[in-house]
Amino acid sequence: ELKVEQNPLFLSMQEGKNYTIYCNYSTTSDRLYWYRQDPGKSLESLFVLLSNGAVKQEGRLMASLDTKARLSTLHITAAVHDLSATYFCAVVRGTYKYIFGTGTRLKVLA
Amino acid sequence: NAGVTQTPKFQVLKTGQSMTLQCAQDMNHEYMSWYRQDPGMGLRLIHYSVGAGITDQGEVPNGYNVSRSTTEDFPLRLLSAAPSQTSVYFCASSFGQASYNEQFFGPGTRLTVL
Repeated sequence: ELKVEQNPLFLSMQEGKNYTIYCNYSTTSDRLYWYRQDPGKSLESLFVLLSNGAVKQEGRLMASLDTKARLSTLHITAAVHDLSATYFCAVVRGTYKYIFGTGTRLKVLA
Repeated sequence: NAGVTQTPKFQVLKTGQSMTLQCAQDMNHEYMSWYRQDPGMGLRLIHYSVGAGITDQGEVPNGYNVSRSTTEDFPLRLLSAAPSQTSVYFCASSFGQASYNEQFFGPGTRLTVL
């Protein structure tokens, strides 16, 4: 059974600080996705990582994928309040079945 | 483009009632899916479709039916609602049949079953 674990589940950090969210998954997958969800809202796609060693960056967020370690990281650089949200990673079982992590709730304090 | 739309936004049902959650997309996406989101559990895949006339089960399909008669629409039917189906339901779509593309999510339907 494919399991996707994120840690930490909750993260409170000061503005201007750096931090990393980890996403571990239990079986082989060469595709990983990161999404952002604001409270009471829908999900917004952040990154699609399609191969081992893939790295993508958008603003203060950078995501990477290590398929051998079954690990993806979402690194936050110099956090700002607008980054407060819940972040989900997801992998694919087979071709079409997306399995989501439980999410990391990030709160950036001024 | 309207993107992915869902109706209704909110719904309250009594146990045993049936209803259909509507999902439509205007991006000509082949892949569409339904998820439920419960507190502390992330999203779980209910059913998905890779094109008109083709559907398959996800992680938690029991109690739900789907059909896909057109590319645009992917309704989710609750046959006999139960309190355990109280959740927020999201529909999503993506371009192409393979899972190499990002999914676009609808705004969600908040369902309460009494």
